[in-house]
Amino acid sequence: EAGVAQSPRYKIIEKRQSVAFWCNPISGHATLYWYQQILGQGPKLLIQFQNNGVVDDSQLPKDRFSAERLKGVDSTLKIQPAKLEDSAVYLCASSFSGSELFFGEGSRLTVL
Amino acid sequence: SQQGEEDPQALSIQEGENATMNCSYKTSINNLQWYRQNSGRGLVHLILIRSNEREKHSGRLRVTLDTSKKSSSLLITASRAADTASYFCVFTGGGNKLTFGTGTQLKVEL
Repeated sequence: EAGVAQSPRYKIIEKRQSVAFWCNPISGHATLYWYQQILGQGPKLLIQFQNNGVVDDSQLPKDRFSAERLKGVDSTLKIQPAKLEDSAVYLCASSFSGSELFFGEGSRLTVL
Repeated sequence: SQQGEEDPQALSIQEGENATMNCSYKTSINNLQWYRQNSGRGLVHLILIRSNEREKHSGRLRVTLDTSKKSSSLLITASRAADTASYFCVFTGGGNKLTFGTGTQLKVEL
């Protein structure tokens, strides 16, 4: 069974530039999550989708972050414009039952 | 913040020893999970314990849950160098919201 795919694995940009991350969840998983993990901390939920609807985006900085999940499958997370404090690993996870999460390898963002 | 607290923050042991890490939370929960994260990688699910369970085993892992104290512990027995990783508790509260703990960094030395 294929796991959660994320790309790119690494991205370096300058502040005020934009960046987009892509996630392809495990087939059949209705729930998709984007987490931000700053070095040395636990993951923080940015947004949770159920199929293509948003369940929770309370911690998403909506002035600069956006996410979509078209057709309830793939998802894209965008940051525009990026700030230095956005340097982190962006983790995508999917779930069938809403309990056990399956994570991708993450996309490491460095903002200079 | 509803984030769970884990202790210790860091733990260094010798191969063959047991490692115990603890997680505390503040809300009522439906279940609690433990995940492992190797450096620079994604998280991997280890074990899930439901709120009506007190103890669960999986291979060298033993998880306990005390809902009266709002705490859980993860015991790894006979540790190996490959167990070196960060370990996170994740609890599911109201509305099926998942919340991560702060993590314990485990280093197992040869």
